[in-house]
Amino acid sequence: AQSVTQPDIHITVSEGASLELRCNYSYGATPYLFWYVQSPGQGLQLLLKYFSGDTLVQGIKGFEAEFKRSQSSFNLRKPSVHWSDAAEYFCAVRAPMEYGNKLVFGAGTILRVKS
Amino acid sequence: SAVISQKPSRDICQRGTSLTIQCQVDSQVTMMFWYRQQPGQSLTLIATANQGSEATYESGFVIDKFPISRPNLTFSTLTVSNMSPEDSSIYLCSVTRDREGEQFFGPGTRLTVL
Repeated sequence: AQSVTQPDIHITVSEGASLELRCNYSYGATPYLFWYVQSPGQGLQLLLKYFSGDTLVQGIKGFEAEFKRSQSSFNLRKPSVHWSDAAEYFCAVRAPMEYGNKLVFGAGTILRVKS
Repeated sequence: SAVISQKPSRDICQRGTSLTIQCQVDSQVTMMFWYRQQPGQSLTLIATANQGSEATYESGFVIDKFPISRPNLTFSTLTVSNMSPEDSSIYLCSVTRDREGEQFFGPGTRLTVL
């Protein structure tokens, strides 16, 4: 079964600084990969996804993620963080073509932005 | 995308009672799911709601505790039965239009059990 590890529970960055959130997955082949953001009191919003093809994926709100098969990683990046990016970020994985379309989520990383 | 609403948005309930949460989508979807997010935790899939048949439950979740209905392609309910304080969580509905597509999430229902 697939699993997801987000090693950083909390990250604090200054506004305007760059950001990288780490995500490692465990799966025998290349899974489908997702990053979601959850703002306080809100549901989850999809930032970006990777199914196949170009390993650098562009998402909404200026985020991007890079799939690295050799490292089983799918790290999320943003070159310049805004205060409104403060939220919790979840990496998720799904086995391609698996019946049920089930997502397995990482534990999440809480991003704090200091001014 | 999909516009998903959940009712209630939050509730405070007494131990031993039951609460039914509704999930309504603005258009037909293929699959509907229910997740639980316990305080400070990540999301855990409870079950897949199947239209016209019994839901498919994940390990650790049973129908007697979390009965689910899905009478059509835009609506589902999750009941949390015989509640205890350990059931205090956010319950989220999600949908997907096809097996290859992304999942869209509702705003969640924040449940507190006293």
